[in-house]
Parts: sequence; structure tokens; C-alpha cells
Amino acid sequence: GPKVLQIPSHQIIDMGQMVTLNCDPVSNHLYFYWYKQILGQQMEFLVNFYNGKVMEKSKLFKDQFSVERPDGSYFTLKIQPTALEDSAVYFCASSLEAGGSDYTFGSGTRLLVI
Amino acid sequence: GDKVKQSPSALSLQEGTNSALRCNFSIAATTVQWFLQNPRGSLINLFYLVPGTKENGRLKSAFDSKESYSTLHIRDAQLEDSGTYFCAAPSNSAGNKLTFGIGTRVLVRP
Repeated sequence: GPKVLQIPSHQIIDMGQMVTLNCDPVSNHLYFYWYKQILGQQMEFLVNFYNGKVMEKSKLFKDQFSVERPDGSYFTLKIQPTALEDSAVYFCASSLEAGGSDYTFGSGTRLLVI
Repeated sequence: GDKVKQSPSALSLQEGTNSALRCNFSIAATTVQWFLQNPRGSLINLFYLVPGTKENGRLKSAFDSKESYSTLHIRDAQLEDSGTYFCAAPSNSAGNKLTFGIGTRVLVRP
């Protein structure tokens, strides 16, 4: 079936540096999401994005976080500067409709901040 | 408190046996989704449910929106069924912000 691709699959970064996580959503999808999963724990919603704008964000979406999808390319999550507590697996997802049955997740980017 | 409560937290199954996982909601869930996170960490979409039931191979899921719960039944468990099962429900009016349960870790033993 259609897939969401996430690049890179793993990233190790020094605390204080900037990191950009890339997501290639399903081609005809219109809604894009980021979720955060700390090791072995539940998935937590970060943000959703539609029509070039952030629609909703959670308390976990700190000021150091930003998202964009310039010109229909990758949907990105940028963290600047990174902190130790940003270490987690970040999952991107996309859907055609809000709350659609086609909610599709990527395989995640494992981010380690040292 | 937890908006989406999953039970049990962990389950060990003999290969070939059956079991059931449950999800209780304290939010007004209109739909529910079940995912399997495999040992490699990938999330696989198992079911998207409106109130009612769905079946896919050895898996069957039911969602009762009035009683605010959903179940996932595994029949004839196989080794590849091992992983963490998550249920999730939308927690905003647009229906696109999923709130997940904490997951049920399932280990199928030979």
C-alpha cells in the first residue's frame, strides 16, 4: 500500500545543535502530522499541518520546534536547539482527510541527543 | 487521567491460542484505530473502526461507542503477532489528532 517515508531512520546529534527530520508523505494526502514516542512508551501527538499551516499543536511542541512543507516537498520537523529530552522516536503520518481511515505512519526517525 | 486506557499492559501467549485486548475511552470517541508496533518499531495500521466490528484474517475488532470501549481479538496466535498493540481515538473535533493508549505488549511463545 502507499507509504510514508522518513529520512533519516537514525540520527545522533550533539545537544544544542539543529536537526531536521524529513518526511515524504503519501502523494495525494493533505494532512500531515508528527508524533513523539519516548522509548517503549505511548505515542504523543505533537502537531498537525494542513494547507501550509499548523492547525493544532500540543504542549510537547516546544518553541524550539518548527514544521514546514515548502512547495510540496518533504514535510519537515526542525528542532533548534536540541535538548537531551528531545531524544525519542519521531513518527510522521499523513492522511487524505481529517480523521480519515487512511491515516498512514512512517517507520520513525530515532533521534539521540548527546 | 488517561483518556485512552488499554488492558492488559502485557500478555504472554502460547502459539495457537486466542486472546483479547481491550481499550476503554474517557473521551467521546467516534472512531477507533488499532496499530501494531512490530519489534523493529514500525507502526502497522490494523483497523479503522466506526461503531461495529471488522475482521481481517485472525484478527477481529469491535467498537462500542455508547459504552466507550473497543476490543481486539487474536485467534490462533502466531509468532509474528508479537509486538505492541496500540489503540487510538481522535481527541479533537476535526478528528485528526489521535490520542493513543499506552499499548499492550504481546509476546507469542512457541
